[in-house]
Amino acid sequence: GDSVTQMEGPVTLSEEAFLTINCTYTATGYPSLFWYVQYPGEGLQLLLKATKADDKGSNKGFEATYRKETTSFHLEKGSVQVSDSAVYFCALRVNTGNQFYFGTGTSLTVIP
Amino acid sequence: NAGVMQNPRHLVRRRGQEARLRCSPMKGHSHVYWYRQLPEEGLKFMVYLQKENIIDESGMPKERFSAEFPKEGPSILRIQQVVRGDSAAYFCASSHRDRGRGTEAFFGQGTRLTVV
Repeated sequence: GDSVTQMEGPVTLSEEAFLTINCTYTATGYPSLFWYVQYPGEGLQLLLKATKADDKGSNKGFEATYRKETTSFHLEKGSVQVSDSAVYFCALRVNTGNQFYFGTGTSLTVIP
Repeated sequence: NAGVMQNPRHLVRRRGQEARLRCSPMKGHSHVYWYRQLPEEGLKFMVYLQKENIIDESGMPKERFSAEFPKEGPSILRIQQVVRGDSAAYFCASSHRDRGRGTEAFFGQGTRLTVV
């Protein structure tokens, strides 16, 4: 079946540190891949996406590259800020008419 | 340009009562998804609807839960005879008529249901 596996949290980093959150997937077809972010008490917001192999999604300093050979879509940011503290969800969607499959989320706390 | 609107934001129900959660999708969106988020857990898919049509309800519990998305008005997630285990955050998301697998979903702020 289709599924997403994210690295376990919580993750605590100092401001300006480098961030990597690992995400790997299993898909029955050719998926599109997404990263969503959830701030406390809020819904999920789309952070970035990639729809085909080797595509790089980027937004607000975050990047993720669609790696078909390793079935991965790791999220990275070169220098995190306190305002990046949130829960990050990796997700995939295989076909039109299908649901989005989400990982369990990775909680990030950035300390000054 | 309003986003996905869910109401109420917080809902308290006693065991055995009914809970009705509403979701108004973004303007122009014809597809709605409902997800449930339990404390310390990820998002669990419940149901995927198009106007007047259920596309995928594979995540819906077989009893007490139902969803609709009428031609006019918001999508409704209805939980009958609520139990404590129904306490969770329920998120609605909407998307355009499918433009392919890259079509993203936009989420509302959720309804936090507490059953006492």
